[in-house]
Amino acid sequence: GAGVSQSPSNKVTEKGKDVELRCDPISGHTALYWYRQSLGQGLEFLIYFQGNSAPDKSGLPSDRFSAERTGGSVSTLTIQRTQQEDSAVYLCASSIWTVNPSGANVLTFGAGSRLTVL
Amino acid sequence: AQKVTQAQTEISVVEKEDVTLDCVYETRDTTYYLFWYKQPPSGELVFLIRRNSFDEQNEISGRYSWNFQKSTSSFNFTITASQVVDSAVYFCALRSDTGRRALTFGSGTRLQVQP
Repeated sequence: GAGVSQSPSNKVTEKGKDVELRCDPISGHTALYWYRQSLGQGLEFLIYFQGNSAPDKSGLPSDRFSAERTGGSVSTLTIQRTQQEDSAVYLCASSIWTVNPSGANVLTFGAGSRLTVL
Repeated sequence: AQKVTQAQTEISVVEKEDVTLDCVYETRDTTYYLFWYKQPPSGELVFLIRRNSFDEQNEISGRYSWNFQKSTSSFNFTITASQVVDSAVYFCALRSDTGRRALTFGSGTRLQVQP
């Protein structure tokens, strides 16, 4: 697609329910990243994918959080048994991937999925 | 470990004033990359600039300029003759060539430009 697409744009859920957030990256972008932005805060890294594998999951805050990517394209971030502290905007970004050391690739961000846990 | 510090939480200026947003970074790597992103009220982050650690030449793009100084580990961003449309949250970010491949972001600086 032309840009990074995220759905839903807004999600309100009750504490304890599971939620799934979807990210559709730019076509041809093999790297995909998930970040979380709490109200008025900076961006907190969650996980990134290179193709379908996730070399770095170190940012996932707890085992209630998981993510997968299939077909080297769409990714789903799942939060189980949601808590109020999970309320945030979840941002997805994608980039091309290269081992060329002369430059780090620019991330293109989606508009985010705003999650509210009541 | 990598760290980006944006000490200015919020800045308010009047239109046409110049404003500088500070960014200080920490990394043990000798090769790294620095970025600035803009997040307007609509929410979507917009890429502004990327610099490599081995290129300390400052850059100017229209009203925007960036001052990269390795000696002080800073990558400051100046907006000349600010406009209301510049109102946004600005994030500085770092990525090293080793370790985490994702960007490490600062906490952001909210810029309010008053008419």
